[in-house]
This record gives sequence, structure tokens and C-alpha cells, in this order.
Amino acid sequence: GESVGLHLPTLSVQEGDNSIINCAYSNSASDYFIWYKQESGKGPQFIIDIRSNMDKRQGQRVTVLLNKTVKHLSLQIAATQPGDSAVYFCAENMGNFNKFYFGSGTKLNVKP
Amino acid sequence: EAQVTQNPRYLITVTGKKLTVTCSQNMNHEYMSWYRQDPGLGLRQIYYSMNVEVTDKGDVPEGYKVSRKEKRNFPLILESPSPNQTSLYFCASSRNRGFGYTFGSGTRLTVV
Repeated sequence: GESVGLHLPTLSVQEGDNSIINCAYSNSASDYFIWYKQESGKGPQFIIDIRSNMDKRQGQRVTVLLNKTVKHLSLQIAATQPGDSAVYFCAENMGNFNKFYFGSGTKLNVKP
Repeated sequence: EAQVTQNPRYLITVTGKKLTVTCSQNMNHEYMSWYRQDPGLGLRQIYYSMNVEVTDKGDVPEGYKVSRKEKRNFPLILESPSPNQTSLYFCASSRNRGFGYTFGSGTRLTVV
């Protein structure tokens, strides 16, 4: 597969455990946030989003938490599976022309 | 199947030889965008388009051109490629402002 980054922060978890991936965003004016998953050799894939008028949103096995006070976003994955192994990016949108800024990513390794 | 299709998947070219990477989406999306992904630098926006004949520069537009003559297509043109344009390129589309992007599978470009 193709490398998407060097020296990425890496989170290693045991299969079945919960994972928490964190992201600090840069602009207090950002009003829309997305978590993307990127598997080796593939494009980023949308996981879940949240708008700034919310502080929590749940999907299937995933939860996103938004703390606007400290400009922090987290992605929680319940019962992590080997198929969750990937690089995870957060992206923030300041609302202008749908321009997103992406974080550098966190690599999630799921150990069987 | 709703998707963003970009071609070619892999391309090796020589310095100065003009090339075009094609991108097409079948979701009738208004917004389209090109990103490049480099190790340690993450995803950076090259150009984006809000609709037919409406395009604007992203964060790293130098050395690239785009056009949006039809809603579904958004080709990326490198008039005179240089080795510093060796990268992994992604095309993406979005329904509208305030919605996330759907990404293509990527084009790995090497300029020698």
C-alpha cells in the first residue's frame, strides 16, 4: 500500500477495546468538522461530522465530541475491529466556500 | 454507485511534459476540489470550484491549472511538471457548502 505520512502519531489498541483519537483544531470560527478514515492505498472516507451548535454526535460504533472552549475534537470508536486500522484525519471548515483544513492524522493499529 | 473517479491511478512523467489528471463525479455535486497529500504535510487544497466556470485557488495553486466546463468534470492540469509536484493527488466533490467531501481513489504522480 501507499504511505500517507511519516512519523504520524500512532495509537495501538487491542481488538475489542474502545479507541479515542484526538484532534486540536486551529480556528475558533470553524463551524463544521468531519472525521475521515484513510486506509492504505485509498482516498479518505467520511466517517462522521458535527456542526458547532452540537457537542456530541453518535453514529454506528463511532462518537464525535466537540469542545469549542479548548478547540478540541475527539473520535471514539467502540469495540475496535481489525478493519478499523487506518489513518484518521479531522477536518475543520470555517464556512467559506467549503474550504476544509485537514489535520496531519493519527494512525490506528488494532492488534488481534 | 455514487463515486468520484480520477485517472490515471499511477503516472510517471518527465519534467516539463504537460499532463492532465481527469476527475469525474456522478452525484451532481456543486463543489469540487483537488488536494495533494505529502508525508508530514497532510492534505493541502490546490484548487476548488463552486460550480461550472467558477474556480478559485486553494493553498498551494502554483504550477497547476483547473477548469470546470461541465458540472461533473474537474481536470487538473500541470502545464510544466517539476519534481516538487511528485505527490499523491485526490479529487473530491461535495453537495454544497457545509457538507463534507467525497474523495476519489487518488493519483500517484512521479515527476523525474
